[in-house]
Amino acid sequence: DTGVSQNPRHKITKRGQNVTFRCDPISEHNRLYWYRQTLGQGPEFLTYFQNEAQLEKSRLLSDRFSAERPKGSFSTLEIQRTEQGDSAMYLCASSLGVQRQETQYFGPGTRLLVL
Amino acid sequence: AQSVTQLDSHVSVSEGTPVLLRCNYSSSYSPSLFWYVQHPNKGLQLLLKYTSAATLVKGINGFEAEFKKSETSFHLTKPSAHMSDAAEYFCVVIFGLNNNAGNMLTFGGGTRLMVKP
Repeated sequence: DTGVSQNPRHKITKRGQNVTFRCDPISEHNRLYWYRQTLGQGPEFLTYFQNEAQLEKSRLLSDRFSAERPKGSFSTLEIQRTEQGDSAMYLCASSLGVQRQETQYFGPGTRLLVL
Repeated sequence: AQSVTQLDSHVSVSEGTPVLLRCNYSSSYSPSLFWYVQHPNKGLQLLLKYTSAATLVKGINGFEAEFKKSETSFHLTKPSAHMSDAAEYFCVVIFGLNNNAGNMLTFGGGTRLMVKP
């Protein structure tokens, strides 16, 4: 068990470009979550998957954002036509079960800077 | 409205003195409550969670928190601060009744703990 990993750790891009982030959850964890954390704030929920199904999306997730989890393993988060307001830390978390007290384990995050 | 509020954005203590980080929530139902810690350049780590088995919850590194329903609070404490405790701390809540819901975490704004030698 190597924990949740995220790649890349840092990404600098120009406004209008597309970016894609990857999250590898702890193996056998059936739930995978994406959160966004802006500077000086707590993380905010974006979306989550149970296995390969995307079950909930936050209003923060505009139509420029898309997430996938093919085969219920790793997940990708793509941002199209990036804007400066997209600059943030993108966090991924995974959990084993569906009970409310199940611990969500976080990855180190991908820090995005849009110039 | 459901919300979680951390009353102090910054707390500064001297090494060896007690730590108190305050958290209040607003919810129509009993929420699930957690404290996470975020060290610089490291991922969020769970400190402790309230599972309704006991109102006083013990976590890692000597931290504990007490759930007070009447005060809608879940304050985090530690008897004696250590330099390594310096970090950002988040009070986190899962709102809602349904155990089969998404379990989305709602984070407070965070409290930055500084520990002076």
